[in-house]
Amino acid sequence: QKEVEQNSGPLSVPEGAIASLNCTYSDRGSQSFFWYRQYSGKSPELIMFIYSNGDKEDGRFTAQLNKASQYVSLLIRDSQPSDSATYLCAVNRAGAGSYQLTFGKGTKLSVIP
Amino acid sequence: DTAVSQTPKYLVTQMGNDKSIKCEQNLGHDTMYWYKQDSKKFLKIMFSYNNKELIINETVPNRFSPKSPDKAHLNLHINSLELGDSAVYFCASSWGTGADTQYFGPGTRLTVL
Repeated sequence: QKEVEQNSGPLSVPEGAIASLNCTYSDRGSQSFFWYRQYSGKSPELIMFIYSNGDKEDGRFTAQLNKASQYVSLLIRDSQPSDSATYLCAVNRAGAGSYQLTFGKGTKLSVIP
Repeated sequence: DTAVSQTPKYLVTQMGNDKSIKCEQNLGHDTMYWYKQDSKKFLKIMFSYNNKELIINETVPNRFSPKSPDKAHLNLHINSLELGDSAVYFCASSWGTGADTQYFGPGTRLTVL
C-alpha cells in the first residue's frame, strides 16, 4: 500500500513563530513532492513543489526533501493568522508518465494572534 | 477568468437518484482528474483522463462513470446514489503527468439524503 502520512494536528503556533509541517511517504521511488494549502470550504491550492534533495525557499515558505529518509517538510516562517488552514502533502508515484498523485490526510495549522 | 470550473457547486438529492457534475478547464491542460474528499477531509483520486483517454481508474464503484467529450471537459455521472457518496468532489487539471502541478476547481458538495 503506497501511503503518504501526516500528523493531523491541529498544530497551533503563535503569530510570528515558525510552523513546521512534516510528511513521510512509503514509495521509495517517488519523484515529485507537493505542498497544497486548503482553507476551510475551499479547494486545495499549490504552495510549493520540490523534486531534489535539500531545501527550496519561496518567500516565507521552505520545503525540505530527504529522499533517503522518505521525508518532506514545509516550514512557514513568521506565521500569520492567514496561514491558518489545512496543509496537504502530495507525492507523485514513481514511474515514467505516472499520473498518480497521492495525498496525505493533511495537517491543520492554527496560527494564534 | 476561471481556470477550472465545476457545476453545480451544491447538489442535494435523494438516495437512488442519478446525478451529474460537470467540469471545464480553460488552461489548455491535457490531463483532468476527479477527486473525492470525504468528511474527514481525505482527498482521494477517482479518475484521470489524458487527452480524453482514461488513465487512472481507482477502486470506485461502477455507479460512477466519467466522460470526457474533449480535453477541456470532464464530467462525472453517478447512478443510484447512496448515503456514502456524500462528499465534496473536486475536479483538477494539469499539463501532463502527476509530476505537474494540479489546479483544482471550487468543488461540488454532494449531499445524499
